[in-house]
Amino acid sequence: DVKVTQSSRYLVKRTGEKVFLECVQDMDHENMFWYRQDPGLGLRLIYFSYDVKMKEKGDIPEGYSVSREKKERFSLILESASTNQTSMYLCASSLGGYRTEAFFGQGTRLTVV
Amino acid sequence: DAKTTQPPSMDCAEGRAANLPCNHSTISGNEYVYWYRQIHSQGPQYIIHGLKNNETNEMASLIITEDRKSSTLILPHATLRDTAVYYCIVRSDKIIFGKGTRLHILP
Repeated sequence: DVKVTQSSRYLVKRTGEKVFLECVQDMDHENMFWYRQDPGLGLRLIYFSYDVKMKEKGDIPEGYSVSREKKERFSLILESASTNQTSMYLCASSLGGYRTEAFFGQGTRLTVV
Repeated sequence: DAKTTQPPSMDCAEGRAANLPCNHSTISGNEYVYWYRQIHSQGPQYIIHGLKNNETNEMASLIITEDRKSSTLILPHATLRDTAVYYCIVRSDKIIFGKGTRLHILP
């Protein structure tokens, strides 16, 4: 089975901290995605990557950056965490192209205080 | 923006077929229709996808209209465990979620 693993299930950080959310997949997938999910707003795409060192902005990239140095790992970085970044963060991966499904991790619930 | 429109919620009696509609009138010729569901506090789970032919797997059936402007996900015998938010997605390089349909299974 494909496994997408997010480093933490729950995280509490202070305003202004630099926060790293890590995501690792074990199926050699080309595509990886980061979403945040908030009540009433659904899942919103932050960034995605279709290859190592490649990245594309999603719908809400402001306040975030990403890093993909290795194919299996996609990191989401909050340069200076703010309270409005308190959310559930979900990572996903898929093979390249449109024909294959994406697999999601279990999510990281981040609270910024 | 999401390219799909779904009803915000639906009810279905346990044991009956649940038919979830989705409109995607602006779909392009090479875009696939995907369905996912999300059970509370979990990551979305893939259900099924198709291009233009109807598809069936162990979880569900997908019926796509001939003009590809709409589709229906069918859960043949709904159980309480099928209570979830169901998302219909038109897949391009990005995967953009809409608001989905919250399906309530009634005992």
